[in-house]
Order: sequence, then structure tokens, then C-alpha cells
Amino acid sequence: QQPVQSPQAVILREGEDAVINCSSSKALYSVHWYRQKHGEAPVFLMILLKGGEQKGHEKISASFNEKKQQSSLYLTASQLSYSGTYFCGTEGHSGYALNFGKGTSLLVTP
Amino acid sequence: EAGVTQSPTHLIKTRGQQATLRCSPISGHTSVYWYQQALGLGLQFLLWYDEGEERNRGNFPPRFSGRQFPNYSSELNVNALELEDSALYLCASSPRTGGIFGSPLHFGNGTRLTVT
Repeated sequence: QQPVQSPQAVILREGEDAVINCSSSKALYSVHWYRQKHGEAPVFLMILLKGGEQKGHEKISASFNEKKQQSSLYLTASQLSYSGTYFCGTEGHSGYALNFGKGTSLLVTP
Repeated sequence: EAGVTQSPTHLIKTRGQQATLRCSPISGHTSVYWYQQALGLGLQFLLWYDEGEERNRGNFPPRFSGRQFPNYSSELNVNALELEDSALYLCASSPRTGGIFGSPLHFGNGTRLTVT
């Protein structure tokens, strides 16, 4: 039930764009995205609910394809502060748990 | 508002001992979720407590248990510790009862458990 994230790691130069993908084999109610910096708690970024809506948060946005049970996180014009590990969390229709992927490590260099 | 607080920050135990980890949710939040974050495995769902009751547990053995108190704080107990239990244990809270249903989780900084 653990969603699959790709890529596992990515290195960017400041100002470049990146896409992180998350896919599930189960029907989903929602997809959550979190970012965790080393030694800190995961921080909530955004939630995508079923319906294919796209949400945005500054230069970070995401989409959710309900038919394919896939979500993508888009980071545009990356900043040094974007570095960290990004996790997608998927929620089934029971609402009983949020299952996280193994994470994507993102490093933005000057 | 104060965030989710966890204690202790670090805990070192010997194999076979018991560990107790504590979590205080954000004021007004009644649901508490526990996750294990072992190196390279991401966040693995452990337990969900909602209004004092255990509502769901992940794929972990029964020696992982816990409870939720009337003030909605929670305790995670790990009995008969094994070396592979070494991990960061994260607690998260949510104001929504009955399930997540699109409500964000608010995480604490975690307890780093080391089993030697």
C-alpha cells in the first residue's frame, strides 16, 4: 500500500525546475505532500483531493490524476530553501491512514 | 499556537528492554498518529488514536502498543526491543475525528530511539 515515488534523488542548480512523481495501486481519496529537512519534522505543503484539481503554494504546485492514481509535485525556479526530502502521502477512501512513500531527496545548489 | 511536542528527544535502550515515547497534540486536536521513520524506508504508519480509542494499526507486531489519554496526549510503548527498532518515531495530530479525509497532519520533531 506504500505509494511509489520517483525519482529517489535529484540535484538541481538554483533556478532550475523539478518534478516529483507519486503513484498508488489503490483508489485514492487524497494525496498529501510534505517536506522534511534534516533533523526536523515533516512540514505540510498541500493536499490534492480526488477530482483532478491542481493546487499551488508559491512556486510549488501539484496535480492529481484520479484515474491513474498518480500525483506530481512541481517545483519551479528552485531556491536553496527547497532542499529537503519530499514525501507523498496517500489516503484511501476509509480515511484510516496516510501511507507515505520512501521520499525524494532534493538538493538545490548555488 | 504550540505545535506537537514529543518527549524524550533521544532515547537509548538495550535490546530486550521497553521504551515509552510521549506525544502532546496541538490544542484542540483529538486524533494522534504514530509513524516510524527508519533509514531508507520512509514513514511507516504505526497506530492511530482517535478520541481515546485505537482506530487503526499498521503492519507492526503487537509489541508496539500505545494509548491515548483523556487530554488527547498519547503514549507509544515498544516492548522487547530489537535492534531494528532503532528509528525516528514521529507523532502527528489532526483536528479531524473519524478519519483523515483530506485534513493535514501536523508532525512533531520526533523521538530518536537507539537500541544497542
